[in-house]
Amino acid sequence: AQSVSQHNHHVILSEAASLELGCNYSYGGTVNLFWYVQYPGQHLQLLLKYFSGDPLVKGIKGFEAEFIKSKFSFNLRKPSVQWSDTAEYFCAVNTLYNQGGKLIFGQGTELSVKP
Amino acid sequence: DAGVIQSPRHEVTEMGQEVTLRCKPISGHNSLFWYRQTMMRGLELLIYFNNNVPIDDSGMPEDRFSAKMPNASFSTLKIQPSEPRDSAVYFCASSSVSSGNTIYFGEGSWLTVV
Repeated sequence: AQSVSQHNHHVILSEAASLELGCNYSYGGTVNLFWYVQYPGQHLQLLLKYFSGDPLVKGIKGFEAEFIKSKFSFNLRKPSVQWSDTAEYFCAVNTLYNQGGKLIFGQGTELSVKP
Repeated sequence: DAGVIQSPRHEVTEMGQEVTLRCKPISGHNSLFWYRQTMMRGLELLIYFNNNVPIDDSGMPEDRFSAKMPNASFSTLKIQPSEPRDSAVYFCASSSVSSGNTIYFGEGSWLTVV
């Protein structure tokens, strides 16, 4: 069965530190990849996505992610985090492209940024 | 665009009562998803529809849960009877090929069963 694994359950950083959140998936076929962010008490919002083309994808709020097919990875990065980035981050994979796009989520990584 | 609209936003109910959660997907989207989020289990896909037809309901916990999509602009998730362990946030989401199959989430229905 397809699965998505996020390496870190909880990450604590100081403002201006660099961020990298790991994501690996298990599926050998074509995938679409997503990162969603969930601010405290809110719903999931799309941060960025990869469908094809340049494996380095830029999203909103200075986030980017790199798809490395050989490693089945799609890690999220930000060079300098802010207190407002405190949230939970979910990596997700879409493997049923032709049937409406069922998303499989990782377990989430909670990011706490200290001011 | 109004986005995915869910109701109620918050509900507190007693064990044994019936709960109905409602969802209006983004206009033009033909796929609709119901997710449940808890601290213990994270995000779980309960069921999803494509063109109003249930495609995969393997995530529905048990027979107490049922979902319908009578038309392209409305879906319900029903729990009968409800139990305290059903307390969670229930998210509805929708997507379409025209959105690049990107899934957009509603703001969730926060359910507490006491």
